Amino acid sequence: EAGVAQSPRYKIIEKRQSVAFWCNPISGHATLYWYQQILGQGPKLLIQFQNNGVVDDSQLPKDRFSAERLKGVDSTLKIQPAKLEDSAVYLCASSFGSHRGDYGYTFGSGTRLTVV
Amino acid sequence: GDSVTQMEGPVTLSEEAFLTINCTYTATGYPSLFWYVQYPGEGLQLLLKATKADDKGSNKGFEATYRKETTSFHLEKGSVQVSDSAVYFCALSGGGSYIPTFGRGTSLIVHP
Repeated sequence: EAGVAQSPRYKIIEKRQSVAFWCNPISGHATLYWYQQILGQGPKLLIQFQNNGVVDDSQLPKDRFSAERLKGVDSTLKIQPAKLEDSAVYLCASSFGSHRGDYGYTFGSGTRLTVV
Repeated sequence: GDSVTQMEGPVTLSEEAFLTINCTYTATGYPSLFWYVQYPGEGLQLLLKATKADDKGSNKGFEATYRKETTSFHLEKGSVQVSDSAVYFCALSGGGSYIPTFGRGTSLIVHP
C-alpha cells in the first residue's frame, strides 16, 4: 500500500512569514495526526483528526497554528506567523481504527522547517 | 498526564552484541505500548507493539514485553547489526488522555 505522503520535504522561511504543509494519509485510515519533532526530542502531538473532525488539539498553539482536514482525507497544517522556535520536523501520521491508535501509526517522511 | 521515559543515549555497541533499551511509562487505564524506529533522514516506522499486559511484541529480531507490574516495555535484541543504527522511540497510546505520547528517543550506534 502507498505510504503517508507529505510535502514539501524541506522549507526555509524567515520569521513572521507563513508556511503550509500538506499530508495525504493512507487510504482508508480514518485518524490523522500532526506531530512536531524538535531536534533531539520525541514527536509531540499537535492535532488529531477522526475523519474530518478534531479529536484533540489541546497542544496546538492556536494563535499561530491552524489545521484542517476537508472531506476527511487530505490535511493541511499552517503556521502564521512563524517564529524561530517553530524550526522542527513536522510529521503527519495516520492510523486505522479507533482514535486510541491501538494499531500503531504510519508516519510520513516529514517536512523539515527552518525559520531564520 | 501520561509520560514515557527512555534511557539516555547514545548507546554504542559492537556488531553482534546484545541490546537493551529501557523504557518505563506512567499512564492511567490500560495503554497500548509501541516501539518506533527512525533511520537517518526518514520518518518513524512502527517496529513492534503490545496492547495488553504480558504481551510480547516482536519484529526483525527485536522483542519487548509489556510489564504492567513494573510499568516497563524494554526493547531487546540478541545480536545487533550495523544496519540497526537508528533512533528508537518508545510510545504509548490509549492511556488516560488518548493523546499519543512519545519518549525522547534513544540513539543506537552499532560499529562493525
